Amino acid sequence: GENVEQHPSTLSVQEGDSAVIKCTYSDSASNYFPWYKQELGKRPQLIIDIRSNVGEKKDQRIAVTLNKTAKHFSLHITETQPEDSAVYFCAARGNQFYFGTGTSLTVIP
Amino acid sequence: DTGVSQDPRHKITKRGQNVTFRCDPISEHNRLYWYRQTLGQGPEFLTYFQNEAQLEKSRLLSDRFSAERPKGSFSTLEIQRTEQGDSAMYLCASSLVERVLLFGPGTRLTVL
Repeated sequence: GENVEQHPSTLSVQEGDSAVIKCTYSDSASNYFPWYKQELGKRPQLIIDIRSNVGEKKDQRIAVTLNKTAKHFSLHITETQPEDSAVYFCAARGNQFYFGTGTSLTVIP
Repeated sequence: DTGVSQDPRHKITKRGQNVTFRCDPISEHNRLYWYRQTLGQGPEFLTYFQNEAQLEKSRLLSDRFSAERPKGSFSTLEIQRTEQGDSAMYLCASSLVERVLLFGPGTRLTVL
């Protein structure tokens, strides 16, 4: 089955700086890569996604890049704000969804 | 229909007891997934259905776990003879095939 690895496990940035979270996957059949944000005690919420026929996608301060050849994809958050503090999960979908182990992001005011 | 719902939201049980959780997906979604999440970890796949057919079950899933989706709508997840290691958040999610996965609020299970 698919194996998704995510780094770093924790990340602290100053407010206004950028944050980058990276994931790798193993199954070349995976074709869809969503990112979820999970606040403490809440359900994971989809924040952005990318399909395998696209290299980059941007939505305001959030962007995702995909390198199919290297089997890795990344989440970029620019101009970070304290409300961006949460745990972020990447996922890869082949037959079903496999998740990374999460990155706990702290934005320091 | 405002999203995926799960019941109960919290369950405390004694070791050895059976528990059953319910998930109601978004009505037009034909795929339904069950995940387990422990503190500091990502959601761990348990099983998924397309309509009423259970298409895949994790090899890590003990025989004490069983799931059903009898009419292709709601689903139940049963854990028999619970163990302390079963304590976790059980998340249900639904999607259309090849579409976005949306999560329910989860059922937090505590096994004493």
